[in-house]
Amino acid sequence: EVQLVESGGGLVQPGGSLRLSCAASGFTFSRYWMSWVRQAPGKGLEWVANIKEDGSAQYYVDSMQGRFTVSRDNDKNSLYLQMNSLRAEDTAVYYCGRNGGYTLDHWGQGTPVTVSS
Amino acid sequence: DVVMTQSPLSLPVTLGQPASVSCRSSQSLVHSDGNTYLSWFHQRPGQSPRRLLYKVSDRDSGVPDRFSGSASGTDFTLKISRVEAEDVGVYYCMQGTRWPYTFGPGTKLEI
Repeated sequence: EVQLVESGGGLVQPGGSLRLSCAASGFTFSRYWMSWVRQAPGKGLEWVANIKEDGSAQYYVDSMQGRFTVSRDNDKNSLYLQMNSLRAEDTAVYYCGRNGGYTLDHWGQGTPVTVSS
Repeated sequence: DVVMTQSPLSLPVTLGQPASVSCRSSQSLVHSDGNTYLSWFHQRPGQSPRRLLYKVSDRDSGVPDRFSGSASGTDFTLKISRVEAEDVGVYYCMQGTRWPYTFGPGTKLEI
């Protein structure tokens, strides 16, 4: 059974940093692109970033380019999202997802991030 | 970026009756490989989204056959043949043909 478990969310001040993690199990992690998607409170879904199977390529939505960094450790079956220079508008639940064919076929339960002073 | 729009944004339905959600893309979603990467997701309150359909009409494992998808150009439709109580929640369309991938605003289905 595919499982994705996010962690690392919490309360952070504007301008601060946070590192999210996603532990994957139940599939061969190194064979899949992985993604981060976020959902602001009461709002819709917004793609954040994609990372290639071997970590050699990353793609970001423009508003997060330069502030967010997606990475992975295939030996640890883990996906990460380093978020810097956080703003109030980054407040959201962050989901990691397995990217299967230009879509997400499995999602984690999400980890909430609140940016507030 | 490809803009995805959905209608209606709120959909009151009656149990046992059909329901339909429309999604429109601002550009063609036909990929260079010939596929159309349009997916539908269902999100129940307090839960993560779950994929229902991919490549317009392919159903995910475990998804009831009362869910179906179709396309006509840049217009896409999710149909539920007979709504059941477990179908409440928000339905999102999403395109994966062009980066950045984008979602529609969501359609809230209410009994």
